[in-house]
Amino acid sequence: GENVEQHPSTLSVQEGDSAVIKCTYSDSASNYFPWYKQELGKGPQLIIDIRSNVGEKKDQRIAVTLNKTAKHFSLHITETQPEDSAVYFCAGGGSNYKLTFGKGTLLTVNP
Amino acid sequence: GAVVSQHPSWVICKSGTSVKIECRSLDFQATTMFWYRQFPKQSLMLMATSNEGSKATYEQGVEKDKFLINHASLTLSTLTVTSAHPEDSSFYICSADYRESYEQYFGPGTRLTVT
Repeated sequence: GENVEQHPSTLSVQEGDSAVIKCTYSDSASNYFPWYKQELGKGPQLIIDIRSNVGEKKDQRIAVTLNKTAKHFSLHITETQPEDSAVYFCAGGGSNYKLTFGKGTLLTVNP
Repeated sequence: GAVVSQHPSWVICKSGTSVKIECRSLDFQATTMFWYRQFPKQSLMLMATSNEGSKATYEQGVEKDKFLINHASLTLSTLTVTSAHPEDSSFYICSADYRESYEQYFGPGTRLTVT
């Protein structure tokens, strides 16, 4: 089955700096890669996703890149703000609509 | 759009009793819904895939007789934790697949505490 590795587990940045979170996946059949933001005590929120026929996708301050050959994808957040502080999860999906999640990254944005 | 609700948001029950959690897709129909369990500071663990009109598919190691799942309609799936024990205490989250697109939208979660 699919295995998704996520790094780093914690990330601390200063407000205004950029943050990058990286994930690798094992199943070459996976073709859908979403990113979720989870605040304490809440359900995960889909913030951006990318499909295997696209190399990069951007939505305002958030961007995701995908390298199918290397089987890795990354989340980039620019001009970070304190409200970006949360746990971020990457995931990979390829069959039966199931997603396999990474272990999460705790992002802290210091004012 | 793509809103998923869960009820209740938190519940406390006594050991040995059963608890039902509801998951609803409010503005779209979901053929497939998922149930996850999450322990503090850990990732989401998929428990089962719920398909409307058919039996749920459970992940390895998940007791199907303990965690009963019913997907009664295209907007409602329920998870019943039967004969709950303290070790069942956890954060349970459902999600719904949006129009078979792989996009999963999550509910706000249910905090279950078994005393």
